[in-house]
Amino acid sequence: GNSVTQMEGPVTLSEEAFLTINCTYTATGYPSLFWYVQYPGEGLQLLLKATKADDKGSNKGFEATYRKETTSFHLEKGSVQVSDSAVYFCALIGPSGGYNKLIFGAGTRLAVHP
Amino acid sequence: GAVVSQHPSRVICKSGTSVKIECRSLDFQATTMFWYRQFPKQSLMLMATSNEGSKATYEQGVEKDKFLINHASLTLSTLTVTSAHPEDSSFYICSARDALGYNEQFFGPGTRLTVL
Repeated sequence: GNSVTQMEGPVTLSEEAFLTINCTYTATGYPSLFWYVQYPGEGLQLLLKATKADDKGSNKGFEATYRKETTSFHLEKGSVQVSDSAVYFCALIGPSGGYNKLIFGAGTRLAVHP
Repeated sequence: GAVVSQHPSRVICKSGTSVKIECRSLDFQATTMFWYRQFPKQSLMLMATSNEGSKATYEQGVEKDKFLINHASLTLSTLTVTSAHPEDSSFYICSARDALGYNEQFFGPGTRLTVL
């Protein structure tokens, strides 16, 4: 079945450091890929998405490229801020298994220090 | 746009009582809503999928008689935790899918349930 694997956290960085959170997936066909962010005590917010191979999703300085050949969707940001501290979830949906079920990775906690 | 609300945001109840959580899509019609459960420092676990006007589809291992889901309109779904026990304490998150879209879900802010 479909699955998502994320790098284990926590990831601890200093402000203005470069961020990479690795995400790989297993799925048949061409799923849509997402990164969600969860701030403490809150629900999930969609950060960015990509729906086909080679698409690059970007938002708030974060970006991720849908790589079909490596089945990856790594999240990157050139210069993190303290306010980026949160838990980041990589996820996919469809096509096998239907478009109902979002499959989440385990989440990666990011802590950014001044 | 695409705002989903949940009420209440926090609830504390005694063991044996029932608790209802509401999930509303505020500015769009949601034919499908989803209920997730999240344990501390863990990922989200899909509990059930509800379609407006029909019975919910529960994931394997989720007790449908304990977690009652009603999706009575295109903007409202409710989750009722019946005869709650301390092990039901968790963070419950709903999401909604726009009737016009097929692969994006919009999430509510979550409800923290604590059963004493």
